[in-house]
Amino acid sequence: QVQLQESGPGLVKPSETLSLTCTVSGGSITSYYWSWIRQPPGKGLEWIGYIYYSGRTKSSPSLKSRVTISVDTSNNQFSLKLSSVTAADTAVYYCARSKYLNDPFDVWGHGTVVTVSS
Amino acid sequence: QSVLTQPPSVSAAPGQTVTISCSGSSPNIGNNYVSWYQQLPGKAPKFLISDSNQRPSGIPDRISASRSGTSATLGITGLQTGDEADYYCGTWDSSLSAGVFGGGTKLTVL
Repeated sequence: QVQLQESGPGLVKPSETLSLTCTVSGGSITSYYWSWIRQPPGKGLEWIGYIYYSGRTKSSPSLKSRVTISVDTSNNQFSLKLSSVTAADTAVYYCARSKYLNDPFDVWGHGTVVTVSS
Repeated sequence: QSVLTQPPSVSAAPGQTVTISCSGSSPNIGNNYVSWYQQLPGKAPKFLISDSNQRPSGIPDRISASRSGTSATLGITGLQTGDEADYYCGTWDSSLSAGVFGGGTKLTVL
């Protein structure tokens, strides 16, 4: 049973860079797409971007200039960096898996709360 | 403002049937499979069903998904109190080259 676990600081200062890691356990990171999705308090889901195990990435047009997604296949992890954060980036951040680009996100992490505040 | 449009809320009595709509456009729902997610309070979303006939083990047959043109629908029959949750539709948008979601629908079982 594949499980995903997000990790990273829960508090980030405005203008700094948010950094999160998703660890994949119980299965291999290869041959899947790995996405980051966030949910601001009381709001809906927002797709941030994905990385394929080969390293190919795609980010949401609205966040593209601030997003970097990377993969570490040797440690079965992938990571998100979001630069120049503001209070609007405060959200629960989830990592999720899909088999193909338009396949469902069939496995989700529990989510990690990130608050942007000084 | 979400790319996909869902009603903010729906409600029905236990045992009844409810449908949740998801409206989009040609680059998203019109040309890509739609998936549905259930989010219980304080929990991560969970994949429920897609109109590509994908359904995780344990998801009962009383839950169905369909798509026609640029709209998709989630159906739940024999409503139970445990079905109370937020439901999200999601798909890929070929024009944006991005994943997109609806704003979510809160289901209340009266």
